[in-house]
Amino acid sequence: QVQLVESGGGLVKPGGSLRLSCAASGFSFSDYYMSWVRQAPGKGLQWVSYISSSGYTTYYADSVKGRFTISRDNAKNSLYLQMNSLRAEDTAVYYCARDKAASAPVSAFWGQGALVSVSS
Amino acid sequence: QLVLTQSPSASASLGASVKLTCTLSSGHSGYAIAWLQQQPEKGPRYLMKVDTDGSNSKGDGIPDRFSGSTSGAEHYLTISSLQSEDEADYYCHTWDTGTRVFGGGTKLTVL
Repeated sequence: QVQLVESGGGLVKPGGSLRLSCAASGFSFSDYYMSWVRQAPGKGLQWVSYISSSGYTTYYADSVKGRFTISRDNAKNSLYLQMNSLRAEDTAVYYCARDKAASAPVSAFWGQGALVSVSS
Repeated sequence: QLVLTQSPSASASLGASVKLTCTLSSGHSGYAIAWLQQQPEKGPRYLMKVDTDGSNSKGDGIPDRFSGSTSGAEHYLTISSLQSEDEADYYCHTWDTGTRVFGGGTKLTVL
């Protein structure tokens, strides 16, 4: 079955950096677009970024553009999110998610999330 | 700009039915959406995708009590025979080129 396991979360000071990883299994990773979605404490879901199956195409929410970088390693079945210049408002649980299908670009499979706390 | 609007809260009694609404922004009425459920302290769970013709594509193990429909710019999630475990946040979700969009979520309370 599809499994997505995030890691790399933690406490970081404002202005600092963190790299999240998502290990995928149970499906052909290189066939699917992948996304990062975050949820601030007590708030709703917010799309952060997505990447095409090949990794050549990436998109970002305006709130993270220029600070975050999404990438993937299809040989390692892994998705990454490099987060730089972190701010307090980036504090959230970060979810890795897989699209349902190429013809259905909605996030249909989700990891358990990784908590990122940005505080001095 | 593509926006999804949901009511912040809804409530219904155990065993009853409830209909949650997700409204697409002006000019975007022809978009399909997906519904997600998030139970307390858990990650989101995909319920179904609802296409513009109203057809549903459910996730594995989603009970028949959950159904989706649409009319114009409105999408609906109907949950029948409400159970205590249905108490959760429900999000609608769609996409456009270069973006993915989530509604603000509806907190469903089962009385």
